[in-house]
Amino acid sequence: IQLTQSPSSLSASVGDRVTITCRASQGISSYLAWYQQKPGKAPKLLIYSASTLQSGVPSRFSGSGSGTDFTLTVSSLQPEDFATYYCQQLISYPPTFGGGTKVEIK
Amino acid sequence: EVQLLESGGGLVQPGGSLRLSCAASGFTFSSYAMSWVRQAPGKGLEWVSTISGSGGSTFYADSVKGRFTISSDSSRNTLYLQMNSLRAEDTAVYYCAKALGGYSGSDLRGFDYWGQGTLVTVSS
Repeated sequence: IQLTQSPSSLSASVGDRVTITCRASQGISSYLAWYQQKPGKAPKLLIYSASTLQSGVPSRFSGSGSGTDFTLTVSSLQPEDFATYYCQQLISYPPTFGGGTKVEIK
Repeated sequence: EVQLLESGGGLVQPGGSLRLSCAASGFTFSSYAMSWVRQAPGKGLEWVSTISGSGGSTFYADSVKGRFTISSDSSRNTLYLQMNSLRAEDTAVYYCAKALGGYSGSDLRGFDYWGQGTLVTVSS
């Protein structure tokens, strides 16, 4: 199963609402996770089961979608949110990742 | 507190072998699937392998099948990745990661804890 993220990069300002999309090559129900990765650091789980917020993750992050189309939304971008974001499907092996979306400061 | 600590990375020649270890603490090791995920320099994340919490099921990416072996020792709370016949394209930071579920190997749901990563460089 291939995952296509868009855009591959974006520039945004603090306070902006940001939406990243992830499209699966076939239906994956709600078996999708989102991660945030900062340079030189391990990925951090933000969302699992498409819309469940991982414990400790700020509520400005939200996920939605099912089937083949998914979105990660940051309601009000904060300075610490500038990072690369990845989606991952977990309905079947191999549990593939999307190509990533780099969120940069405008 | 959940902690995952990888070790064993380093420089190895093409065709060589290396064994990575991941020492886990802070959770019931045998209840969750454990995985290896790698990231080549400047590239995205690539899933490598998963072992079920029971230890009875293993899964591999096509790119490493037949060359890498994942295993776990529940008495030591340690995950391993034996890497043989290494190639230049295996050069990456290797992360171990704990799944939210996966006792039987299915229902992974996501990887909620990750180690700090260990760098493997395959070069002559």
